Amino acid sequence: GAGVSQTPSNKVTEKGKYVELRCDPISGHTALYWYRQSLGQGPEFLIYFQGTGAADDSGLPNDRFFAVRPEGSVSTLKIQRTERGDSAVYLCASSLTAAGVSYEQYFGPGTRLTVT
Amino acid sequence: AQSVAQPEDQVNVAEGNPLTVKCTYSVSGNPYLFWYVQYPNRGLQFLLKYITGDNLVKGSYGFEAEFNKSQTSFHLKKPSALVSDSALYFCAVRDIRTGFQKLVFGTGTRLLVSP
Repeated sequence: GAGVSQTPSNKVTEKGKYVELRCDPISGHTALYWYRQSLGQGPEFLIYFQGTGAADDSGLPNDRFFAVRPEGSVSTLKIQRTERGDSAVYLCASSLTAAGVSYEQYFGPGTRLTVT
Repeated sequence: AQSVAQPEDQVNVAEGNPLTVKCTYSVSGNPYLFWYVQYPNRGLQFLLKYITGDNLVKGSYGFEAEFNKSQTSFHLKKPSALVSDSALYFCAVRDIRTGFQKLVFGTGTRLLVSP
């Protein structure tokens, strides 16, 4: 079946601009995660949605970052006033969820964001 | 805090030889451990997980991992390496502090399998 998809695959923007990154999770997965992967590092957690609500946004670096998932499926990560330090690969993942069970997360191919 | 460490930036092995990629963990409570692989220009792919039960976990593509509670390790292994196994491997632990399922990843180990 279809996996997690992310668009665009690459985004180049100028410092100070606004960007939106989209994630389409696996159908039926109620949990959705955003991670950021800088060069030479492992992915770092940004935000987690259970359904439409952000259950944990403790990884968002500052208030320039915001994410939504209005209908409990597609999610958009929004970055305002981009800075060169925001350049990274932004990964989206989805999973089934149930209390007390650790389901694996399935990752999309990522969006490579470059801020010039 | 939950964390994992991957002490080797790179592991080199000849095709056909056994391979081991190391991971140690630090958690409060029971560990939920995962291995992912990342090929160039592709997303992370799930390999295997340890939740409970047998200490030897079998996963995709012939990989397995051994959970060792006394050594707090979860090393990834394969009996016979293939050139196509060359990729970046990440160990991860579920962060249970909040009760949710976000993963905390290691810094990754690059595996190079030579023909």
